[in-house]
Amino acid sequence: SQKIEQNSEALNIQEGKTATLTCNYTNYSPAYLQWYRQDPGRGPVFLLLIRENEKEKRKERLKVTFDTTLKQSLFHITASQPADSATYLCALPLSGGYNKLIFGAGTRLAVHP
Amino acid sequence: ETGVTQSPTHLIKTRGQQVTLRCSSQSGHNTVSWYQQALGQGPQFIFQYYREEENGRGNFPPRFSGLQFPNYSSELNVNALELDDSALYLCASSHDQTPASFYEQYFGPGTRLTVT
Repeated sequence: SQKIEQNSEALNIQEGKTATLTCNYTNYSPAYLQWYRQDPGRGPVFLLLIRENEKEKRKERLKVTFDTTLKQSLFHITASQPADSATYLCALPLSGGYNKLIFGAGTRLAVHP
Repeated sequence: ETGVTQSPTHLIKTRGQQVTLRCSSQSGHNTVSWYQQALGQGPQFIFQYYREEENGRGNFPPRFSGLQFPNYSSELNVNALELDDSALYLCASSHDQTPASFYEQYFGPGTRLTVT
């Protein structure tokens, strides 16, 4: 069955540094992959979508890569700020179902001043 | 803010009871999906409605049911509540006016359900 793995350990970094989060998946070849941000007690907020034929996507300080051979996506936040502290979720469409998502458990990022 | 609202914010029910959770999407959002998020986990897909018809279901039993209404609101009903149903229930809406917009889902803040 489809499986997504994100680093369950919280990531602690200093303000101004680049945060890199990892998403690995198995038993699957998704047409696209999404990243969401979730703050405590709130619903996830869509950040970026990258398609299987795209190697890299950027949006402001965010960069996502998608390696379909390694079955891995990397999510980077450059020049990180304390306001970037949140849980970041990786999501893939369920096999045969666009816009029906399977999510990873998320990685909590803490950016310290 | 995503423009998606959910009610109630919090709810406490007893095992065996029934519950109805509500979601109000943005105007024009003809697709709504419901997710269950247990503590420390990612959201898990329950089902999706497209133009008021069920359009796919995750690995949830039939006691989880839903409705979508013409005014872009929707409901999630859970019968015979079990302790393991305690979770944050999220609805997410999207529209198909452009190919890009279809994939961008707007989540509501969720309803925290506690079953005792």
